[in-house]
Amino acid sequence: AQKVTQAQTEISVVEKEDVTLDCVYETRDTTYYLFWYKQPPSGELVFLIRRNSFDEQNEISGRYSWNFQKSTSSFNFTITASQVVDSAVYFCALSEAYTTSGTYKYIFGTGTRLKVLA
Amino acid sequence: EPEVTQTPSHQVTQMGQEVILRCVPISNHLYFYWYRQILGQKVEFLVSFYNNEISEKSEIFDDQFSVERPDGSNFTLKIRSTKLEDSAMYFCASTKSTSNYGYTFGSGTRLTVV
Repeated sequence: AQKVTQAQTEISVVEKEDVTLDCVYETRDTTYYLFWYKQPPSGELVFLIRRNSFDEQNEISGRYSWNFQKSTSSFNFTITASQVVDSAVYFCALSEAYTTSGTYKYIFGTGTRLKVLA
Repeated sequence: EPEVTQTPSHQVTQMGQEVILRCVPISNHLYFYWYRQILGQKVEFLVSFYNNEISEKSEIFDDQFSVERPDGSNFTLKIRSTKLEDSAMYFCASTKSTSNYGYTFGSGTRLTVV
């Protein structure tokens, strides 16, 4: 069965601190996709990144970076120099890579609430 | 940037009433989804839909739920007889192709059953 664990329920940091959000997943599939979504206080789900299981290169986008470690089944997300606007709930999600139907079901973790204090 | 539009943003209904949640996916997208998030909890898959058929549904998606694409633009989720435990945020999502590039989610409909 597929499972995503975000053990950190809530993290508080002071602005400009770096923060890492952990994500550990379980799957029997050899190919799969991992995602991070941001849910700000307004409630929508904002896509941040997709990573496929073939690609273990770390990715950086501005202040955001992602560390994918297949050996430990982890896909961690780091925000450098955090800002108050980063305050949100962050969800990690897992999906199969291929389906016969063309539709994909995402398994979400329980989310990590990040509070960045000014 | 194209958006998935959901209406209404908030709906209050009495227990036992039928509700229809509406979504307008991105125009050239072909694959559609509904997810649910009970307040403060994780986002859960309800159903996927393609070519006017349900592709997959979860255990949550029982006989009181149905989905429909009544015309070329709308995608609806109907709950026939609402229960208190149906109170949640409902998200619609769509994708364009069979490649899994990540959903575009709508902004959600908060359903409150009283």
